[in-house]
Amino acid sequence: DADVTQTPRNRITKTGKRIMLECSQTKGHDRMYWYRQDPGLGLRLIYYSFDVKDINKGEISDGYSVSRQAQAKFSLSLESAIPNQTALYFCATSDPSGGTGNPDTQYFGPGTRLTVL
Amino acid sequence: GENVEQHPSTLSVQEGDSAVIKCTYSDSASNYFPWYKQELGKGPQLIIDIRSNVGEKKDQRIAVTLNKTAKHFSLHITETQPEDSAVYFCAASISGNTPLVFGKGTRLSVIA
Repeated sequence: DADVTQTPRNRITKTGKRIMLECSQTKGHDRMYWYRQDPGLGLRLIYYSFDVKDINKGEISDGYSVSRQAQAKFSLSLESAIPNQTALYFCATSDPSGGTGNPDTQYFGPGTRLTVL
Repeated sequence: GENVEQHPSTLSVQEGDSAVIKCTYSDSASNYFPWYKQELGKGPQLIIDIRSNVGEKKDQRIAVTLNKTAKHFSLHITETQPEDSAVYFCAASISGNTPLVFGKGTRLSVIA
């Protein structure tokens, strides 16, 4: 089973609708991230959370909100979706303690493709 | 804040040739520089990284070099194979402290 899962994988919605994208991880990592990917623009950070009680804005947080319900779950909401929020959205995790690996490595989910009509 | 520039945006090479992707960063405090590979339909995955206390790191056919003075780092892939075709992202951060800032990506195509 995948360590970082995202639901839904694909979503088509209409302008003005509220949308929630969910991310779950079984890696036991404290840090979680939401990114947006657009062609030619790379990966841009929306929000990040270094632990359950911590929420931080990223480069492009306007129009988005997040909730860190537990160590394993980090949700991204679009309160009123607009067409320019059409993009591929990725969740990622990292473990600052390093465990048995690199403390800076981010592990990405498979992505959610969102289309806003 | 940190700004990472990546070039080229697309790169086509013949199978067996080498590929080089270059990035520059703006924040002299950044000390961690990873490279991620994104295959079609998947999330990015770390392939190699380098920290500011070394100038070069190699792992089989891939290598990364870092020039702290010039604030640039590069990914080198030798003996390219069709399975190297993907989008590659460079990134920079202050290790353990700040989130990664990514470049805009390079789409590498290896032509058989």
